Amino acid sequence: GAGVSQSPSNKVTEKGKDVELRCDPISGHTALYWYRQSLGQGLEFLIYFQGNSAPDKSGLPSDRFSAERTGGSVSTLTIQRTQQEDSAVYLCASTDYPSSYNEQFFGPGTRLTVL
Amino acid sequence: GESVGLHLPTLSVQEGDNSIINCAYSNSASDYFIWYKQESGKGPQFIIDIRSNMDKRQGQRVTVLLNKTVKHLSLQIAATQPGDSAVYFCAELFSGGYNKLIFGAGTRLAVHP
Repeated sequence: GAGVSQSPSNKVTEKGKDVELRCDPISGHTALYWYRQSLGQGLEFLIYFQGNSAPDKSGLPSDRFSAERTGGSVSTLTIQRTQQEDSAVYLCASTDYPSSYNEQFFGPGTRLTVL
Repeated sequence: GESVGLHLPTLSVQEGDNSIINCAYSNSASDYFIWYKQESGKGPQFIIDIRSNMDKRQGQRVTVLLNKTVKHLSLQIAATQPGDSAVYFCAELFSGGYNKLIFGAGTRLAVHP
């Protein structure tokens, strides 16, 4: 079946512009996660959705970052007034928590470059 | 696109040799420890997990060892193949409501023919 998809695969933007990153989770997966992977770093947790609710936003680095999920499916991560330090690969994962307890399925990521 | 960093520690092995990738963790409250494999341009892929009350778990060509005394986790890959070349991350899983993963920094495995 189809895996997690993300779009765009690459995004180049200018400092100060807003960007939207999209995640389509595996159909039926209730839990959705956003992570950020900077060059030379591991994966950094950003936010978690269960259904359309986000019980944990603790990883969002600043108030320029926001995310929403609609219909228990697609999620959008928005970064306002982008800064060069926002350049990273943004990864989305989904799982059918709690039935699929440990395995998060990751998308290929969106590489964001802020000039 | 390329999604892994340039400054990760690298383990170089010959094809057919066994590989051991190590990881230190910090939180004793983790419920599970998980190894993920990330190939160039792809998202991480689940390899194997181990529950915190276990010491060893074996999969197909992979074995994970957990030493809670020194907070150390290792992934052993038997008969390493070129297709094993990737970045490997250990992750701690906290099951307090939503399975939040905390990832380590990663190790690059380079398999040479």
